Amino acid sequence: RKEVEQDPGPFNVPEGATVAFNCTYSNSASQSFFWYRQDCRKEPKLLMSVYSSGNEDGRFTAQLNRASQYISLLIRDSKLSDSATYLCVGGGSQGNLIFGKGTKLSVKP
Amino acid sequence: NAGVMQNPRHLVRRRGQEARLRCSPMKGHSHVYWYRQLPEEGLKFMVYLQKENIIDESGMPKERFSAEFPKEGPSILRIQQVVRGDSAAYFCASSPTNEKLFFGSGTQLSVL
Repeated sequence: RKEVEQDPGPFNVPEGATVAFNCTYSNSASQSFFWYRQDCRKEPKLLMSVYSSGNEDGRFTAQLNRASQYISLLIRDSKLSDSATYLCVGGGSQGNLIFGKGTKLSVKP
Repeated sequence: NAGVMQNPRHLVRRRGQEARLRCSPMKGHSHVYWYRQLPEEGLKFMVYLQKENIIDESGMPKERFSAEFPKEGPSILRIQQVVRGDSAAYFCASSPTNEKLFFGSGTQLSVL
């Protein structure tokens, strides 16, 4: 089983839609989780950290489910500018941070 | 506070040459990570260093690849005798505490 797995998509949604991504992780000892956003040919940029209690930042909500070992990202009221690849990150078994392959989102007018 | 600086942005090498990729972490960050990304692929972890020490190199090929992060100066990822399959984007990231990573703009390596 890969350490961090995501549905690659693509998710094609209309503007204004709500979309959710899930990501599973295999290292039950992992303490740190993040969502990054990567635009084509650019470097990944931190979108938000994921806390046990869940956290919200504007239209974005991240949740962690330790029992089922998955994290989620919810985007409400999608904008065209949300089109990107969303990368899930979790702690690896060696103490480093492992990235998922990313979920591609395309928001259409 | 400047971000993570990588250079060069683009590097072209012929097969058999050496490639040296440089990364200067953000000020105050002592943790450096190197990732490789092929087109349409995810980020693949290569190596994690903390000032003068290699903490985890489990993602780095055993041959031709090496990395260092000296006490003074940038972190260097060195690829000897490059082959076409080494062509990729190489991203460096730094962190103050092995948590949130801040990425540089990457070096696009093209091997002819």
